[in-house]
Amino acid sequence: AQSVSQHNHHVILSEAASLELGCNYSYGGTVNLFWYVQYPGQHLQLLLKYFSGDPLVKGIKGFEAEFIKSKFSFNLRKPSVQWSDTAEYFCAVNVAGAGNTPLVFGKGTRLSVIA
Amino acid sequence: DTAVSQTPKYLVTQMGNDKSIKCEQNLGHDTMYWYKQDSKKFLKIMFSYNNKELIINETVPNRFSPKSPDKAHLNLHINSLELGDSAVYFCASSLSGAHYEQYFGPGTRLTVT
Repeated sequence: AQSVSQHNHHVILSEAASLELGCNYSYGGTVNLFWYVQYPGQHLQLLLKYFSGDPLVKGIKGFEAEFIKSKFSFNLRKPSVQWSDTAEYFCAVNVAGAGNTPLVFGKGTRLSVIA
Repeated sequence: DTAVSQTPKYLVTQMGNDKSIKCEQNLGHDTMYWYKQDSKKFLKIMFSYNNKELIINETVPNRFSPKSPDKAHLNLHINSLELGDSAVYFCASSLSGAHYEQYFGPGTRLTVT
């Protein structure tokens, strides 16, 4: 079974600071990787995804993530955060090539951006 | 147009009651899911349906019964509600296949008193 670890429970940054949120997964096979964001009181929105190819993927709102297979990691980055990035961020994986496998989520990282 | 919709958005009820949450998607997807988000924001899969057939049933009490009348709908019925059922329930949908993302509904916040 897959599992996902997000190392930071709560991150507090000032506006314009750079962001990196860690995500590691455990699974021996090929996975699809996702970052979802949940703004306060809202539903989950997909930020970016990795299926195959270039391990550096770019998503919406200036976010990017890098898949490092040897480290089983898929860290999320943004060079300069804004107050509006305050939200909960979830890393998720599912098994690639296996049909409709559900997502396995990490426990989330709460990002608070202060002025 | 709402892609994945859920009703109701909020549900407050007493222990022992039976309640249903409805989910509909207009994306033409063939796979639908129910996830539970607990008070610590942890999201976990409950059920997965493909073409109206149950394909995944995680360790969920049998008081929870999903029903999929067609590919666009996946409803969740909960019998004999307990305090621990209080959570946000998210419906999601996707195409089947190796590489598709899931689209989530707005969630239903269930509070059992």
